[in-house]
This record gives sequence, structure tokens and C-alpha cells, in this order.
Amino acid sequence: QKEVEQNSGPLSVPEGAIASLNCTYSDRGSQSFFWYRQYSGKSPELIMFIYSNGDKEDGRFTAQLNKASQYVSLLIRDSQPSDSATYLCAAHGSSNTGKLIFGQGTTLQVKP
Amino acid sequence: NAGVMQNPRHLVRRRGQEARLRCSPMKGHSHVYWYRQLPEEGLKFMVYLQKENIIDESGMPKERFSAEFPKEGPSILRIQQVVRGDSAAYFCASSRVMEASEAYEQYFGPGTRLTVT
Repeated sequence: QKEVEQNSGPLSVPEGAIASLNCTYSDRGSQSFFWYRQYSGKSPELIMFIYSNGDKEDGRFTAQLNKASQYVSLLIRDSQPSDSATYLCAAHGSSNTGKLIFGQGTTLQVKP
Repeated sequence: NAGVMQNPRHLVRRRGQEARLRCSPMKGHSHVYWYRQLPEEGLKFMVYLQKENIIDESGMPKERFSAEFPKEGPSILRIQQVVRGDSAAYFCASSRVMEASEAYEQYFGPGTRLTVT
């Protein structure tokens, strides 16, 4: 079983719609979760992090965490073509070493 | 530029040569992490270092790979006797000192694309 799982997509949404990206993790001890955006050929860019159950909003982005279900999600409101990228979910391991465990990423396509 | 710096951005090595990848953390950060991204694969953790200390090297291949973060200067990931399978993007990330109640936000550098011919 993969430690962090994401649907590889592609997830296609029309411009202006809400994009919903999901992630599950297997390590119940994980406390911190991160969403990175990666454009093709570029490095990952941190866009959100969350470590408490519930929602965390930052501009057009909302991260949601449910530790009981071991589920993390990222909502992107008013999606723009420039949001088209691969979104990586990462969990900080419970071993307290700083290691991030990444999912395979979900490719998002926002169509004008 | 206060971001994470990596050099070189592109590196071509012949099989059997050595590759040295450098990383300078973001200003104010003292923790460095190395990750590898193979073509069409996800990011895999390799090693976590603080100044003069390797904290976690559980993701490092047992042979040919080593990493250091000296008291002065950048962190270096060294790959000896490279093989074609080492061709990948190598990313360095850095974070500030971890506090018990805070998340461990890691910021990535632009990466080094290693090609082994």
C-alpha cells in the first residue's frame, strides 16, 4: 500500500469552476500535510499546509484535513488556465525526522 | 535572491564519472533535504541534514551516494560512478528550525537535472 495516494488524473475543469483534489495517507501518526504545485519541468512550489482538522483558506485555495478518515483535500476556486499543473500532496512522517512523503500527484487541466 | 539555490541546473556525466550537486538553503533556514524525481515518477526523499549532521538518510541508496552539509558552505550531494539509472531531477529543500507545534514547511530549489550518458 502506498503511503500517500492521489488520483493521477488528469482532472479537467472549465475556467471559473472549482477544482477538487484529493489525497489519502496511511500513517496515522502523520501530523502535517502539504500541497505543492509543480509545473512541467519546474520545481515544486508550496501553496498550502495544514496540520489541524478542518479547513484552512488562503485566497482561492482551501485545504481540508480529516485525520479520522486520513484524508486531505485541496479546493481551488475560480480555476484559471494558469492553475494547470501537477498538484502534489505530501505528509510529514510520524518519525519526526522532517521527511516528507509525496503522492504521485494529480494533473489538473483548466480549460478556457 | 533569498530562495533556495542549487547548482548546476543541468549536469551531464558519462557513466562511471562523479556528480556533485550543491544546495544553499534559504536565508534563515538551517535544515536541508534532498529529494529525487525520476522521469514520470513522484518525489522520493533521500536525506535530511543539519549543519555537520546527517539526521535521516533512510532514502539514500546504500552505495555510491553520499551527502554532507558542512559548517561553512553549501550542502553537497555526491554520486560516485554514475549509471544511467541515476538520471533524474534532484531537488533540494530547506526549512527553518522545527518547533514542536509548527508544521515543517519545506521550500524547494530549482533542481539539478542530471543526465548520464
